[in-house]
Amino acid sequence: DIQMTQSPSTLSASVGDRVTITCRASQSISSWLAWYQQKPGKAPKLLIYKASSLESGVPSRFSGSGSGTEFTLTISSLQPDDFATYYCQQYNSYPSVWTFGQGTKVEIK
Amino acid sequence: EVQLVQSGAEVKKPGATVKISCKVSGYTFTDYYMHWVQQAPGKGLEWMGLVDPEDGETIYAEKFQGRVTITADTSTDTAYMELSSLRSEDTAVYYCATPSGYWGQGTLVTVSS
Repeated sequence: DIQMTQSPSTLSASVGDRVTITCRASQSISSWLAWYQQKPGKAPKLLIYKASSLESGVPSRFSGSGSGTEFTLTISSLQPDDFATYYCQQYNSYPSVWTFGQGTKVEIK
Repeated sequence: EVQLVQSGAEVKKPGATVKISCKVSGYTFTDYYMHWVQQAPGKGLEWMGLVDPEDGETIYAEKFQGRVTITADTSTDTAYMELSSLRSEDTAVYYCATPSGYWGQGTLVTVSS
């Protein structure tokens, strides 16, 4: 089974900061990686798919990069609405078994 | 507009079975697998399994194998997730979700004697 490891678990940042979250896969997943944002009491929201493709309607301050086993989610200038928990998700294996990272909580510094 | 609407919260006793529904609209039900994800209180997302609505084929995560049954009813465009032999650790919010990024609103299942 493919394991996904996110870091850090918690991140304290201020509005306007550039924020980077890393996700590592235990084996190559090509670019079959998505990033989700989740706020308390809500379902996860898709931000990025196929490692770097921005989901429609998601602000351009969010970007994703990487391939193979190492991936990053970057928020170029953190906004108040961005304080949330972020999850990476792999969907490489056929037929699309999912694995999630353990999550990164972005907190107000 | 794509919508995945899940059934309401449930309270169950240990050892019981719960069955949650997920009714879809706004897309062709058979076009996408339907996945189910568990989120225990204060914890992360855990994939439980999927169903191919076109032919009913399923795949389950090892952790839930033997206790979970996921089905799809194409006559009503509804997917179901049944979890048996409930224990306190199964207290969680359960989500249905598609590979295209659409998620249901979540269903809270509380297991308590």
